[in-house]
Amino acid sequence: DTGVSQDPRHKITKRGQNVTFRCDPISEHNRLYWYRQTLGQGPEFLTYFQNEAQLEKSRLLSNRFSAERPKGSFSTLEIQRTEQGDSAMYLCASSFGYISSISVGDSYEQYFGPGTRLTVT
Amino acid sequence: RKEVEQDPGPFNVPEGATVAFNCTYSNSASQSFFWYRQDCRKEPKLLMSVYSSGNEDGRFTAQLNRASQYISLLIRDSKLSDSATYLCVVEGTGAGSYQLTFGKGTKLSVIP
Repeated sequence: DTGVSQDPRHKITKRGQNVTFRCDPISEHNRLYWYRQTLGQGPEFLTYFQNEAQLEKSRLLSNRFSAERPKGSFSTLEIQRTEQGDSAMYLCASSFGYISSISVGDSYEQYFGPGTRLTVT
Repeated sequence: RKEVEQDPGPFNVPEGATVAFNCTYSNSASQSFFWYRQDCRKEPKLLMSVYSSGNEDGRFTAQLNRASQYISLLIRDSKLSDSATYLCVVEGTGAGSYQLTFGKGTKLSVIP
C-alpha cells in the first residue's frame, strides 16, 4: 500500500494521559498536514510541514499539542494531558509541492490517511 | 461568518436526478478551490478541483465565481454510489499558505 498510513487507527485514553499518533506520508511527498475532524464538521487544519520545517500552525493547536517531522519523512502528533474535548478523528495528509527560486510554487492534491480516532474518557 | 459555508442538507434524491450544491467562502485571498467527497467513517478524497472557467468531469460540473466568492457542484444522473458527504474546500489564506479550509459538508443520499 503506497498511500498515507496512520497509526494507531483507534485510541482510547483516560483524561489527563498523553497520546502520540504517527503518520507516514506518501514517500515522494514533501508536505505533510495534520487536521482534526469532529462529528458533523469538516476537517479543521492543525499544522503543516514542508520537509522537516513546521511552516504553519493553527490557533486550534494549543500548547498541549506538539507535532514533529524530524527527518522530513514520518510525523508524530502528541497531545499532552488529554481532555474530553480532544476526542476527534485526527487526519494526516500529504502532498507534493515545489519551490522555485522566486516563490513557493503550487501545491498538488492532498492525499488523506485513514485517520486516528481518539476517544478520551 | 464562517470561512466556508455550504448548504446544510441533507439532500435525498432519486436515482437519475440532478442535484446542485452551493458554497461561499469569506477569504478573498484564497488561492485554490476543491470539492472533496467523504464516505461514512472514511477519509476525505478529492473529487475535483474548481476553476474560474468551470470544469466538468463526467457527470460532475464545478463552477467558481471569484467576484461573488461562490463555488458550486452539479451532479447529473445521480447514482446510488454518489451517496456521500460533499465537502467544499478552499486552499490558502494568503501567499505561501497551503492549509485547506473545509465547509461542514452536505450529505447526499441517492435513493433507488
